[in-house]
Amino acid sequence: DQQVKQNSPSLSVQEGRISILNCDYTNSMFDYFLWYKKYPAEGPTFLISISSIKDKNEDGRFTVFLNKSAKHLSLHIVPSQPGDSAVYFCAARASNFGNEKLTFGTGTRLTIIP
Amino acid sequence: DAGVTQSPTHLIKTRGQQVTLRCSPISGHKSVSWYQQVLGQGPQFIFQYYEKEERGRGNFPDRFSARQFPNYSSELNVNALLLGDSALYLCASSLVQVNNSPLHFGNGTRLTVT
Repeated sequence: DQQVKQNSPSLSVQEGRISILNCDYTNSMFDYFLWYKKYPAEGPTFLISISSIKDKNEDGRFTVFLNKSAKHLSLHIVPSQPGDSAVYFCAARASNFGNEKLTFGTGTRLTIIP
Repeated sequence: DAGVTQSPTHLIKTRGQQVTLRCSPISGHKSVSWYQQVLGQGPQFIFQYYEKEERGRGNFPDRFSARQFPNYSSELNVNALLLGDSALYLCASSLVQVNNSPLHFGNGTRLTVT
């Protein structure tokens, strides 16, 4: 039962353009969402998160949008840079004090074309 | 500041053997979680420990066990290894005392079972 889905296994974007990565979830108990970036031979690196009480959170070139009614979130990267080439994971959590379990999607490999 | 550190980085074991993986959290982080990532998938939750107590357990067999020490470091043990246990094992720590704090991951231990 895939509760967090990333339906695009890969995405290629020209350098300088906007990259949009999408994520859908099915569990309505999820109320905290995160994006992680992963390079080969490294662990996932936290990028940005959003609580369900918001619909947008921005940090520099990264913006995450949350549409609760559609159970959909997206990560926008603008402008895209070659160093952004990596696998991006969407993750979700049903917040309960002390509960840290994250449910991950299968990832989207982003390639930035110079 | 040091991030989450894991040891060893790589490990090769034979079917039926036992393995112990180690993790040191970021200083000040009292929660440690373990995840398994197989190729092409997102990380899957195995365990969470907070203040030396198990706070969550994923859908893994009893061959998997873990513990947390007074200094908040942690060990993951896997008994009677199977070929399917070959994966990247990730440790993560967080400031669970702060609401909606993200997990920070180490670079993982790559376990190969032959």
